[in-house]
Amino acid sequence: KAGVTQTPRYLIKTRGQQVTLSCSPISGHRSVSWYQQTPGQGLQFLFEYFSETQRNKGNFPGRFSGRQFSNSRSEMNVSTLELGDSALYLCASSLDPLGSGRSHEQFFGPGTRLTVL
Amino acid sequence: DQQVKQNSPSLSVQEGRISILNCDYTNSMFDYFLWYKKYPAEGPTFLISISSIKDKNEDGRFTVFLNKSAKHLSLHIVPSQPGDSAVYFCAAGTYNFNKFYFGSGTKLNVKP
Repeated sequence: KAGVTQTPRYLIKTRGQQVTLSCSPISGHRSVSWYQQTPGQGLQFLFEYFSETQRNKGNFPGRFSGRQFSNSRSEMNVSTLELGDSALYLCASSLDPLGSGRSHEQFFGPGTRLTVL
Repeated sequence: DQQVKQNSPSLSVQEGRISILNCDYTNSMFDYFLWYKKYPAEGPTFLISISSIKDKNEDGRFTVFLNKSAKHLSLHIVPSQPGDSAVYFCAAGTYNFNKFYFGSGTKLNVKP
């Protein structure tokens, strides 16, 4: 079974620009979560999508948005980029936890390294 | 607000000895906890989990202990192997919501 894939792997943007990151979950997984990883901060939860709906949201400004398509693929968008948005953005997929025997085990992709200049 | 804290950024252990990684959380509503391992240039990999109805869960060389009253969990690796060298993240959340808070990670170095 193919793992979680994220594209692109690396991205360089300048302040003020916007960026779209893509995530393809493991086949059959309906939940997709996004995290931001910065040095010293660990992984910070951005949002989770399930069946094309945002189900959970972290404490990030409205510049960070996402969506999920009917095939469970997800995109994350950051508008008006700031220097502090430079980070590794990780996507994780999991089966529906309600009734799932694996209960919240999330499978992570390799991440997209975003650098804002 | 750092709801999950890993206060040791790094840990160095001799091969064959026990590695103990610690994690503290502040939210008493958390009832599900996980540990992930991360190698450079890869995403985190699920290692082991525990729900609040248990105080211990074991999987091979890995054991997670949960002390709910202290809001503390720990991961024990016995015996430690050089291949265990990685960054370990603990995560906490509530069972009915797929939203997890991660610690900042502990970098484990197992010396041969």
